[in-house]
Amino acid sequence: DTAVSQTPKYLVTQMGNDKSIKCEQNLGHDTMYWYKQDSKKFLKIMFSYNNKELIINETVPNRFSPKSPDKAHLNLHINSLELGDSAVYFCASSLMGPGYGYTFGSGTRLTVV
Amino acid sequence: AQSVTQLDSHVSVSEGTPVLLRCNYSSSYSPSLFWYVQHPNKGLQLLLKYTSAATLVKGINGFEAEFKKSETSFHLTKPSAHMSDAAEYFCVVSGGTGRRALTFGSGTRLQVQP
Repeated sequence: DTAVSQTPKYLVTQMGNDKSIKCEQNLGHDTMYWYKQDSKKFLKIMFSYNNKELIINETVPNRFSPKSPDKAHLNLHINSLELGDSAVYFCASSLMGPGYGYTFGSGTRLTVV
Repeated sequence: AQSVTQLDSHVSVSEGTPVLLRCNYSSSYSPSLFWYVQHPNKGLQLLLKYTSAATLVKGINGFEAEFKKSETSFHLTKPSAHMSDAAEYFCVVSGGTGRRALTFGSGTRLQVQP
């Protein structure tokens, strides 16, 4: 009965590779997000989708491409991985509207070597 | 525009003593404010939220926070710390009705000494 599930939990890959992280939520939320947590624990929004439409796209290299096949899924594809992409990536979901908190996934720790 | 400042990067308390984690915010809108907790190598869990109702908000695990508009603060407190409270705590602000991005503070690491 996991609410927001991300796979894989850990991902170790070489520079230059392409990888994907998958996210699924079963809460009936209409909005999903990707956040990046750097080595200093700072969390920053990357993307947000509402009902499969992109509504937030922060300053993120275009090597990162989110895809939302339906409102329960938001996947993150990363091309040509670089060392600086190493971080923990969190998927989250919520209902649109002020005051709704997010439900976060457990994170994907990406290590680029 | 909105921002969050967590005034302490690290707080250490003894088990059984009170906890105070300080947070100041700035928002162009009437903000919604949250506290999240992250245990080591875990995801983020919502502790409590303020959404323009009662200014004193009670959350899980005995935590509470008070919204003070005049001081633009939303400090997190707990009367008596437990060892299991040791974690990273994030103060978060969300504002406006369009974009729903949360703006996170830089985090406060709470250490609980036996």
